Amino acid sequence: GAGVSQSPSNKVTEKGKDVELRCDPISGHTALYWYRQSLGQGLEFLIYFQGNSAPDKSGLPSDRFSAERTGGSVSTLTIQRTQQEDSAVYLCASSLAGLAATGELFFGEGSRLTVL
Amino acid sequence: GNSVTQMEGPVTLSEEAFLTINCTYTATGYPSLFWYVQYPGEGLQLLLKATKADDKGSNKGFEATYRKETTSFHLEKGSVQVSDSAVYFCALYSGGYQKVTFGIGTKLQVIP
Repeated sequence: GAGVSQSPSNKVTEKGKDVELRCDPISGHTALYWYRQSLGQGLEFLIYFQGNSAPDKSGLPSDRFSAERTGGSVSTLTIQRTQQEDSAVYLCASSLAGLAATGELFFGEGSRLTVL
Repeated sequence: GNSVTQMEGPVTLSEEAFLTINCTYTATGYPSLFWYVQYPGEGLQLLLKATKADDKGSNKGFEATYRKETTSFHLEKGSVQVSDSAVYFCALYSGGYQKVTFGIGTKLQVIP
């Protein structure tokens, strides 16, 4: 597609369940980011992919959070044993990197996770 | 490492007031600087950018000048409108395979 696509757009789950969030970046964008946004304000960095590797995963809040990227394209963010404090909007963004990079990020619409 | 510091909100202004949202940064080399905007219920989008010292980025009546001597990129608008109510994020990028670094965001509310 033309933009960054995220699914599901909304997810309601029960505490303790696992969830998977998907991000499909813009074709050709080698850099991919996951952020978490609570209360409609601050961006909390989670993880950054360059190709299929993650040179910076320092923002993952706990070992319940993991992310992978395959084929240098689609990424999934997995949250195991969800807790109520995981409720937030999870944003994905992609960009060019390397010599072609401008630094401009293109964001998806986000996945709103609600943990009951 | 790189960092971006921006003023905490919320900022509440009356329509037609002058807006300044401060942003300062720490980075190695010569980063590119950005302002992103997130309108209520929408995703983040690029508002403006500047790629070198003394450049001025502008869009939709907003402006920001890349000041290397003060390591700042303050966002300004001469006369805000209710439709400018949003969260504004300052960001920097050092190039190559470095990741983009964001500030915490500043919520702006413009009242009629």
